[in-house]
Amino acid sequence: RKEVEQDPGPFNVPEGATVAFNCTYSNSASQSFFWYRQDCRKEPKLLMSVYSSGNEDGRFTAQLNRASQYISLLIRDSKLSDSATYLCVVNINSGNTPLVFGKGTRLSVIA
Amino acid sequence: NAGVTQTPKFQVLKTGQSMTLQCAQDMNHEYMSWYRQDPGMGLRLIHYSVGAGITDQGEVPNGYNVSRSTTEDFPLRLLSAAPSQTSVYFCASSYSTSGRAKTQYFGPGTRLLVL
Repeated sequence: RKEVEQDPGPFNVPEGATVAFNCTYSNSASQSFFWYRQDCRKEPKLLMSVYSSGNEDGRFTAQLNRASQYISLLIRDSKLSDSATYLCVVNINSGNTPLVFGKGTRLSVIA
Repeated sequence: NAGVTQTPKFQVLKTGQSMTLQCAQDMNHEYMSWYRQDPGMGLRLIHYSVGAGITDQGEVPNGYNVSRSTTEDFPLRLLSAAPSQTSVYFCASSYSTSGRAKTQYFGPGTRLLVL
């Protein structure tokens, strides 16, 4: 089983729709979780960290389910500008150890 | 702050040539890393460094060397380029807070074509 797994998509949704992505991780000792966004031919950029209590940033909501070992990202009222690849990122240990990146889920928001 | 910078942005090499991809950051981050990204493969870690003078191998280190003589710089060397090294290379740096990692900041990438 891969360490971090995501549905590659693409998810094609109309503007204004709500879309959700899940990401599963295999190591129960994982401690830190993030969602990154990557636009075509650009570098990945942090979208949001994922906290145990869940967190919200505008139209974006991230949640963590430790029991089932998955994190989720919910995007409400999708905009054309949300079209990108969303990367799930997990840190297995604390401190300066490599982050593990999922391969990403591609989202395309259609007018 | 310039953040993470990478040079060059584009490079074409012939098989067997060597080159160095440069990466620098001005955020005083301890941790730096190199990734390659290929279609359908996601980001794969090549080498990383937790501080000046300390480097370690990632998932795909073969064919690449690194060194970390200063906190700011983390160059990646291709000793003898091969077509399989055609890829987009990203450098990243990060800090850790209270032992919890850590937001990574990526450079804009170097697109490398090996003929």
